[in-house]
Amino acid sequence: NAGVTQTPKFRVLKTGQSMTLLCAQDMNHEYMYWYRQDPGMGLRLIHYSVGEGTTAKGEVPDGYNVSRLKKQNFLLGLESAAPSQTSVYFCASSYPTDINEQFFGPGTRLTVL
Amino acid sequence: SQKIEQNSEALNIQEGKTATLTCNYTNYSPAYLQWYRQDPGRGPVFLLLIRENEKEKRKERLKVTFDTTLKQSLFHITASQPADSATYLCALPPGWDYKLSFGAGTTVTVRA
Repeated sequence: NAGVTQTPKFRVLKTGQSMTLLCAQDMNHEYMYWYRQDPGMGLRLIHYSVGEGTTAKGEVPDGYNVSRLKKQNFLLGLESAAPSQTSVYFCASSYPTDINEQFFGPGTRLTVL
Repeated sequence: SQKIEQNSEALNIQEGKTATLTCNYTNYSPAYLQWYRQDPGRGPVFLLLIRENEKEKRKERLKVTFDTTLKQSLFHITASQPADSATYLCALPPGWDYKLSFGAGTTVTVRA
């Protein structure tokens, strides 16, 4: 099993450009999450999904959109990138058990110039 | 507002010693608390979970305590090894669903 994979690993954008980050998991997990991690601020939840076809806003959703058309994939879109969106983005997935262990991907390092 | 605070300073310790990390929280009533390990350039990896009715949990050389009165969890790495060098994150649920809120993490460096 590959677990949680993310593409791309690195990306540099210019202000105003758009891009989509792809997250895929092969563990048949119901829940998927997108976080950003900035120095000194920890992981902050952007959007999440509790099942195929459903999405919800997290703590910092502005400037991002998501889609979960297939259970195994969760896409994060930036319509018009801004320098404030320079960050490391992590995708995670989990199964709704009482342990709620989240499985993380390797991350995407995004720089917006 | 809800807040999670971990040791702001990085921890540098000698091999064989015990590292103790703190996680304090305010305005949460968590049913459980989790600890994750994160190596540079990688995603966090789940280590263990402790529930609100458990005072202490152990896993190999790791020991976690949870004091809901003090609103604090302590994470101990005993007989530390250089391979334990990493950033450790605490996480807890902000509500009654499956979302998690994470602390900023504490970086531990174990010197040989």
